Amino acid sequence: DTGVSQDPRHKITKRGQNVTFRCDPISEHNRLYWYRQTLGQGPEFLTYFQNEAQLEKSRLLSDRFSAERPKGSFSTLEIQRTEQGDSAMYLCASSLDRVQETQYFGPGTRLLVL
Amino acid sequence: KQEVTQIPAALSVPEGENLVLNCSFTDSAIYNLQWFRQDPGKGLTSLLLIQSSQREQTSGRLNASLDKSSGRSTLYIAASQPGDSATYLCAASPTLFTGANSKLTFGKGITLSVRP
Repeated sequence: DTGVSQDPRHKITKRGQNVTFRCDPISEHNRLYWYRQTLGQGPEFLTYFQNEAQLEKSRLLSDRFSAERPKGSFSTLEIQRTEQGDSAMYLCASSLDRVQETQYFGPGTRLLVL
Repeated sequence: KQEVTQIPAALSVPEGENLVLNCSFTDSAIYNLQWFRQDPGKGLTSLLLIQSSQREQTSGRLNASLDKSSGRSTLYIAASQPGDSATYLCAASPTLFTGANSKLTFGKGITLSVRP
């Protein structure tokens, strides 16, 4: 069990650029979640997948955000035309799809938009 | 819409003190309540998960309780140590019919500092 990994750990970009983050879940976990956390706040749900199917998206996930999990393994989160308000920690988590299973979080990707 | 509140935002205690962290939620229709720990700049580590049918869970020096009817959960830390210094977040999971083990709704967390 190598845990949930995220890449990159830090990203600095200029406003208007596109960025893509990757998440590798724990290998046997078929559920994968994305959250966003700003300073002093708890994580806010963005979206989640069961295998390759995206089952729910938050209203926070504007049209500039897109997430994929093409083969039901790793996932990518892309932000197009970044804005300063996108600066946050982007957290990925995974779990089994049984109820009462905890979500295991990765270390996060910290995004700074200048 | 579920709202989770944790008050106070920060707490400082001397080493060895027993302490209680509070969490309240507005919608009692939850499937479980989880407590996480977050160290500065890091991801979250799960501490305890209390199922809606349970009243409490224990792990080492940690004990978490759940009272769905009043919309409250507490995390009890016994004999606090400097290594316990971190932010503690609680999170509610929606009911089975609205997507159990899907999205978690988090509080803002309580930043705990244990002084040597």
